[in-house]
Amino acid sequence: EAQVTQNPRYLITVTGKKLTVTCSQNMNHEYMSWYRQDPGLGLRQIYYSMNVEVTDKGDVPEGYKVSRKEKRNFPLILESPSPNQTSLYFCASSPRWSLTDTQYFGPGTRLTVL
Amino acid sequence: AQSVTQLDSQVPVFEEAPVELRCNYSSSVSVYLFWYVQYPNQGLQLLLKYLSGSTLVKGINGFEAEFNKSQTSFHLRKPSVHISDTAEYFCAVSGANTGNQFYFGTGTSLTVIP
Repeated sequence: EAQVTQNPRYLITVTGKKLTVTCSQNMNHEYMSWYRQDPGLGLRQIYYSMNVEVTDKGDVPEGYKVSRKEKRNFPLILESPSPNQTSLYFCASSPRWSLTDTQYFGPGTRLTVL
Repeated sequence: AQSVTQLDSQVPVFEEAPVELRCNYSSSVSVYLFWYVQYPNQGLQLLLKYLSGSTLVKGINGFEAEFNKSQTSFHLRKPSVHISDTAEYFCAVSGANTGNQFYFGTGTSLTVIP
């Protein structure tokens, strides 16, 4: 089944404890992206990657890191999480780097930072 | 920067009644417009998109949207809603003014009342 998977789905952690949220897609997509969803703010793009080894900042990159060493994986790293990073995170992918392509979203990761 | 405005944060509607969810975008240059739906505890999935051509776009589940360039709007409509349409709906834009990014609105929560 073609899909985007994220792990973990739920995570409660404490301030300052490094964490990684994994994202993997099995559709051979070139473009991958991370969003955070907050009430009243909708989805905001954190980072995106147009292909392997090519990443760029979105609108809200502060406090996050990403890497794209393989086409299928695009992990999101929080080196020192803070409470303002409590949010619902979505990974998405699309076949090409194209502003016309449909994005396919993972199921989301709900992160709470205490 | 590009922006997307969804004017209604919550829309309650009775089953089998028509519904319109409003979306306005800020750019007057070439844009691509999308509507995504998010069912409870799931990721987003594409309802429909406008890339070019006919201004009336038909999507899945009986939804349609009309691109209005003069009013910079892309409102979503359905003539008769079902209980299963209860979800969060997001309008998104990409195009000449968005760089390599997609911009999402804040979402409209549609509740269908039996």
